[in-house]
Amino acid sequence: KAGVTQTPRYLIKTRGQQVTLSCSPISGHRSVSWYQQTPGQGLQFLFEYFSETQRNKGNFPGRFSGRQFSNSRSEMNVSTLELGDSALYLCASSGGNQAHEQYFGPGTRLTVT
Amino acid sequence: KQEVTQIPAALSVPEGENLVLNCSFTDSAIYNLQWFRQDPGKGLTSLLLIQSSQREQTSGRLNASLDKSSGRSTLYIAASQPGDSATYLCAVPTGTASKLTFGTGTRLQVTL
Repeated sequence: KAGVTQTPRYLIKTRGQQVTLSCSPISGHRSVSWYQQTPGQGLQFLFEYFSETQRNKGNFPGRFSGRQFSNSRSEMNVSTLELGDSALYLCASSGGNQAHEQYFGPGTRLTVT
Repeated sequence: KQEVTQIPAALSVPEGENLVLNCSFTDSAIYNLQWFRQDPGKGLTSLLLIQSSQREQTSGRLNASLDKSSGRSTLYIAASQPGDSATYLCAVPTGTASKLTFGTGTRLQVTL
């Protein structure tokens, strides 16, 4: 069974631009969660999508948004990039309830210059 | 608000030693606890998931225990190897569904 995949793996953008990251969950998983990881803040929850609906949202500004498609693939968009958005963005997939194990992808390293 | 703490923050041990990593959480009403490993610049690899009804879980040289009442979990690594060098993170589901709250991690280095 294929694992969680994320594309692209690396991105370099300039301030003010926008970026879209993609995550394909494990086959059969309906929940996709996104996390931001930085050296200073650690792993912070961005949002979760389940069956194409946002089910949870973390404490991030509205510049961060996402969506989920009918095949459970998810995209995350960040608009008007700031230097502080430089981070490793991780997505996780699971069956969708708290008892389920979560599986993470390799991440997308975003650098904003 | 759930808070998850891991001690020590960093650990260096010679190859072959047995070691224990600690994870504590403030809200004991958890469904499960998951241990992850992260290599530098990489994603998270799930090591063990302990459901709230379990007291421990084993996988190879790894053994994780869970004591909900005291808000603690430990990850025991037997006969450590240089390939075990990584950051180890524990996480618990918080609020509804799949949102995880992570600890700050323990950075482990196993030397030859």
